[in-house]
Amino acid sequence: QSVLTQPPSVSGAPGQRVTISCTGSSSNIGAGPDVHWYQQLPGTAPKLLIYGNSNRPSGVPDRFSGSKSGTSASLAITGLQAEDEADYYCQSYDSNLTGYVFGTGTKVTVL
Amino acid sequence: EVQLVESGGGFVQPGGSLRLSCAASGFTFGDYAMSWVRQAPGKGLEWVSGLSGSGLTTYQPESVMGRFTISRDNSKNTLYLQLDSLRAEDTAVYYCAKARGAVVISYYFDYWGQGALVTVSS
Repeated sequence: QSVLTQPPSVSGAPGQRVTISCTGSSSNIGAGPDVHWYQQLPGTAPKLLIYGNSNRPSGVPDRFSGSKSGTSASLAITGLQAEDEADYYCQSYDSNLTGYVFGTGTKVTVL
Repeated sequence: EVQLVESGGGFVQPGGSLRLSCAASGFTFGDYAMSWVRQAPGKGLEWVSGLSGSGLTTYQPESVMGRFTISRDNSKNTLYLQLDSLRAEDTAVYYCAKARGAVVISYYFDYWGQGALVTVSS
């Protein structure tokens, strides 16, 4: 069972803005480690979407943005597009588990 | 172009063993830590092992400690994962991933392989 909690699903119409929360604790996000986000399209490997809380790798559209505050982090997708339908995972480090942890995952559906 | 190609997946009975390989190209392999991340059918991602670029420092969650062994051969640009005492709950797609970051606790995985399916069943 993951120590980072995400909503199972979020949905929105094309062009809308959706946000995905990633809730942790004082042993992971709240302890300082960065939060990163991955996008997994159906049947494919995860792809890095956001690193270091809010940085986008080259090639990732600026429609995707990340933030971190306290023991939580968020991923926002603005101008939602059909191609954004995928599973999204947050990731950080947990000092109690002494290892990397992923969020429970969120399925984004474009209505 | 960075490429990570896993191999060695397959079907194995409970209690059996398997060795996964991950052939890397497109970057200086020995300069980067690497990890294995697995995904059970229909489930989320789970980090299962990490190894420093030199191969001297290993990181693992307690759930696999003593059963999984991560190693690397920097002369062959290859990462390995030895899976022993396999259980049905180890059934998953195993991805190798290149790690990056300023400090270990803030590492992220910037490139992933296509995955290797391991099925544990009698």
